[in-house]
Amino acid sequence: QVQLVESGGGLVKPGGSLRLSCAASGFTFTDYYMTWIRQAPGKGLEWVSYISTTANTIYYADSVKGRFTISRDNAKNSLYLQMNSLRAEDTAVYYCARAPVTSVESGPDYWGQGTLVTVSS
Amino acid sequence: QSALTQPASVSGSPGQSITITCTGTSSDVGGYNYVSWYQQHPGKAPKVMIYDVSNRPSGVSNRFSGSKSGNTASLTISGLQAEDEADYYCSSYTSTSTPWVFGGGSKLTVL
Repeated sequence: QVQLVESGGGLVKPGGSLRLSCAASGFTFTDYYMTWIRQAPGKGLEWVSYISTTANTIYYADSVKGRFTISRDNAKNSLYLQMNSLRAEDTAVYYCARAPVTSVESGPDYWGQGTLVTVSS
Repeated sequence: QSALTQPASVSGSPGQSITITCTGTSSDVGGYNYVSWYQQHPGKAPKVMIYDVSNRPSGVSNRFSGSKSGNTASLTISGLQAEDEADYYCSSYTSTSTPWVFGGGSKLTVL
């Protein structure tokens, strides 16, 4: 069955860094764009970044541009998010999700369980 | 402020039908047939209930249906059940700088 398992979250001080990982299984990883979406405590969903199947297309939300870097390793069926210069407003549950390459416009069709990132001194 | 506008809360009694609206613009909801609806129970990941305005993924109850008129999309849940109590988010493809935009979410309470 499809599985997306995030890891790497935790407590970090403002200005610090964290690297999130997402391990994918149960589907052909290279058939999907991959994306990170976050949800601040008690708030709604916010798209963060996405990456195409071969990483030749990458987009970031303005709120993280220049601070976050998305990447993927198709050999390891893994997605990553390097987060630098973290701010309190980056505190959120970060979800890894997939979007089929044949219909990326339709949006993510499966999400992981999320990993909590807390930015606080 | 979210790009798409949803009511903060909706409620209904078991067996009734409810509709949640999602209002955007011609750059998102009105311009494309790529509206999705996600259900999120507390502490859980979002689950897609409707995609491409009115399509149901395999395994989703036919009590869930979607539609769109102009810049407003709607999710209707018929025959409400206690397990439907959750937060619901709409999402749309957009021609702006982000690929998808989300609504602020609607909390459904089954009375």
